[in-house]
Amino acid sequence: EIQLQESGPGLVKPSQSLSLTCSVTGYTITSGYDWSWIRKFPGNKMEWMGYISYSGSTNYNPSLKSRISITRDTSKNQFFLQLNSVTTEDTATYYCARSFMDWGQGVMVTVSS
Amino acid sequence: DVVLTQTPVAQPVTLGDQASISCRSSQSLVHSNGNTYLEWYLQKPGQSPQLLIYKVSNRFSGVPDRFIGSGSGSDFTLKISRVEPEDLGVYYCFQATHDPYTFGAGTKLELK
Repeated sequence: EIQLQESGPGLVKPSQSLSLTCSVTGYTITSGYDWSWIRKFPGNKMEWMGYISYSGSTNYNPSLKSRISITRDTSKNQFFLQLNSVTTEDTATYYCARSFMDWGQGVMVTVSS
Repeated sequence: DVVLTQTPVAQPVTLGDQASISCRSSQSLVHSNGNTYLEWYLQKPGQSPQLLIYKVSNRFSGVPDRFIGSGSGSDFTLKISRVEPEDLGVYYCFQATHDPYTFGAGTKLELK
């Protein structure tokens, strides 16, 4: 059974970088599928942020412009989110997912000084 | 970006009733490969979203047959027959036909 688990700091200061890790067990991230980051803002709004494919190619939401980077460590079966120059508008619960079929539990990140 | 408009925003229901949620897209969701990548998710309180329906009308593994997805082009519907307590939460439609992928604003299924 596949499991995904997000981890990272729950509090980030404005203008700094947000870095999250998604640890995957039960499936090898190079075997198939796209591996996404999605966030849910306070309220109900959901936003797809981007993905890294099983082959290592990436696809990002243009709304995040040059602030986002998704990378991976295949030896640890993990993939990562880095979001630069954060503002309070980036306060959200962040989820990782395997092609939207399987999701992590989410990690709440607050951007505040 | 493709805008998905979900209605209603909230749907009060009585257990055992049928519920219906609409999702309309600002443009056709038919991909150049002929598939329509319109999906439905349910987020229960305190949980992460779970996939219910993919490619308009296909139930994901383990999803009860009381969940029925339908529609085509830019007009889609999720029907839930005989609502049960575990069906309560926020429903989202989602499209993966056009970049960037986008979600509807959500419909809260709640008890009357």
